[in-house]
Amino acid sequence: DSGVTQTPKHLITATGQRVTLRCSPRSGDLSVYWYQQSLDQGLQFLIQYYNGEERAKGNILERFSAQQFPDLHSELNLSSLELGDSALYFCASSLRTPPGRGDTQYFGPGTRLTVL
Amino acid sequence: QQQVKQSPQSLIVQKGGISIINCAYENTAFDYFPWYQQFPGKGPALLIAIRPDVSEKKEGRFTISFNKSAKQFSLHIMDSQPGDSATYFCAAGGYQTGANNLFFGTGTRLTVIP
Repeated sequence: DSGVTQTPKHLITATGQRVTLRCSPRSGDLSVYWYQQSLDQGLQFLIQYYNGEERAKGNILERFSAQQFPDLHSELNLSSLELGDSALYFCASSLRTPPGRGDTQYFGPGTRLTVL
Repeated sequence: QQQVKQSPQSLIVQKGGISIINCAYENTAFDYFPWYQQFPGKGPALLIAIRPDVSEKKEGRFTISFNKSAKQFSLHIMDSQPGDSATYFCAAGGYQTGANNLFFGTGTRLTVIP
């Protein structure tokens, strides 16, 4: 158990809908990362937050947005869903962003999104 | 573009054999190279990681070999066991433009045959 929690575990919805995925980082971790894992794309970095502020953006679509709240939990919002958005969405957390050094990321169990 | 290239895509090894997975990267600013293990239905879990100041790191049956000049690193699993059957991801990261996100390889599905 990594200490990172994600809800819900499974989500089934229809095209055009909007969903919210939730992540609680490990106790004490300030950074939260969101990744999308699909069969043909592997693990793709979406976005990173550090202590409430956006730090980096990866391959995140404009239909997707995220935020990190004062209690450090994070939400990933996916709107105008398309069939191709069906994937596993992982949240990871790390302690901090020390300059010049990578930081260990701990992954949650993921949310499996199915868009019908 | 794929910042980290991983091979092979799949690997079948006999129990007791050595599993070798290779990765290559381009960005010389990367300074952290972790390997993650993922079982079906689970999130990736950190297996072992290396920094570029050493050429090898060993933890139990798992060894990372790192070649800075070639910009390559590999995972060796000695005495492979059926319980090692999983998907393995290499990654590279470091502090860049105020962030330290990881770039992942495409994964290697390892099957260890009893």
